Amino acid sequence: QKEVEQNSGPLSVPEGAIASLNCTYSDRGSQSFFWYRQYSGKSPELIMFIYSNGDKEDGRFTAQLNKASQYVSLLIRDSQPSDSATYLCAVNWGGNTPLVFGKGTRLSVIA
Amino acid sequence: NAGVMQNPRHLVRRRGQEARLRCSPMKGHSHVYWYRQLPEEGLKFMVYLQKENIIDESGMPKERFSAEFPKEGPSILRIQQVVRGDSAAYFCASHLPATGNTIYFGEGSWLTVV
Repeated sequence: QKEVEQNSGPLSVPEGAIASLNCTYSDRGSQSFFWYRQYSGKSPELIMFIYSNGDKEDGRFTAQLNKASQYVSLLIRDSQPSDSATYLCAVNWGGNTPLVFGKGTRLSVIA
Repeated sequence: NAGVMQNPRHLVRRRGQEARLRCSPMKGHSHVYWYRQLPEEGLKFMVYLQKENIIDESGMPKERFSAEFPKEGPSILRIQQVVRGDSAAYFCASHLPATGNTIYFGEGSWLTVV
């Protein structure tokens, strides 16, 4: 059974702080990892993806992957109130398998 | 998610009626996924299609739900004899396998069954 687990939150951080969002997954055969942001009543939008162990940075966002620990995280530096949303972790196991999503972590950035 | 077109955006159906949701993928994309999101729940995979072929329908309920992606025209998710529990957001996502595993979502169709 392929599962993706996230803490539902809410995670509250003050404006300007670093927000750290975590995700674990159940199967070592996973190949690619994605973070999506979803505002209330809207569709998910892709933030970034990561395939290899280590860190990947894109602007204020950094994705961190540790395949041995089956763990992927998203760091948001200099958090802004506009970052307040639900963050969805998704994992792909290759081939024609679909992306499996976690339930999401709700982030609240307090001004 | 620009370019993935879903309609209708909002649909209200009475119990027992049929709902048809449509999705046109991004230009050049050959595959679509359908996901369902119940209130306060995560995205659940339903079906993965390419034109004229269902690749994976392991997430589709056994009854009342069907999906197609014809050679011409949009992909359609069809729900027959809707019940209140079908009320959810239905998202289509566009995919081009040759470019990797990234999928891009449409704006979604919100179905309300009354």
